Amino acid sequence: DTAVSQTPKYLVTQMGNDKSIKCEQNLGHDTMYWYKQDSKKFLKIMFSYNNKELIINETVPNRFSPKSPDKAHLNLHINSLELGDSAVYFCASSQAFGTSISYEQYFGPGTRLTVT
Amino acid sequence: KQEVTQIPAALSVPEGENLVLNCSFTDSAIYNLQWFRQDPGKGLTSLLLIQSSQREQTSGRLNASLDKSSGRSTLYIAASQPGDSATYLCAATVGGSQGNLIFGKGTKLSVKP
Repeated sequence: DTAVSQTPKYLVTQMGNDKSIKCEQNLGHDTMYWYKQDSKKFLKIMFSYNNKELIINETVPNRFSPKSPDKAHLNLHINSLELGDSAVYFCASSQAFGTSISYEQYFGPGTRLTVT
Repeated sequence: KQEVTQIPAALSVPEGENLVLNCSFTDSAIYNLQWFRQDPGKGLTSLLLIQSSQREQTSGRLNASLDKSSGRSTLYIAASQPGDSATYLCAATVGGSQGNLIFGKGTKLSVKP
């Protein structure tokens, strides 16, 4: 069984469009994340979210918004797509993050977004 | 601001060799350090997680160490195999309420038969 899944795997779209990437985890985890891997393969956190708190990386444009219909899902909505949004987007999840111990993050397979 | 650096950026070794990948971080206030493997066009596979209170973790031919005081972690791969060829990423979990990972840029390993 796939632990963290993302759809679609590939997404090609034109500038100015609005698109969504879906993420689901079946691990029973409390916290989910979105990361962006740019053309130089550098991974950076975009959002982290649990049922209590959404933390947004200050460098993420407000055209990006995460939406969580339930604990197992964290979807990524992108409005008015730009060429620079082309990248691979990874979803991840972990158990609740505590103060005395912290847990492994499990990653999805990634979604390659190409904006033309 | 936490920064994670990995050296070397690329490494090529003959099969059977033991090797060490290096990771350094600027802020010792980390919660854990995680090593991942990424194959071309694929997602990330978690290899080892070292909690801040631990000094090392082992899984099969892999051994990861953590020295918080010096801001360093190493991943030791014993008896390397061509199937070990991949990009290896280290990531530090930083403070705050959610435990975000700060990644290095990775070491691309090639093991020649």
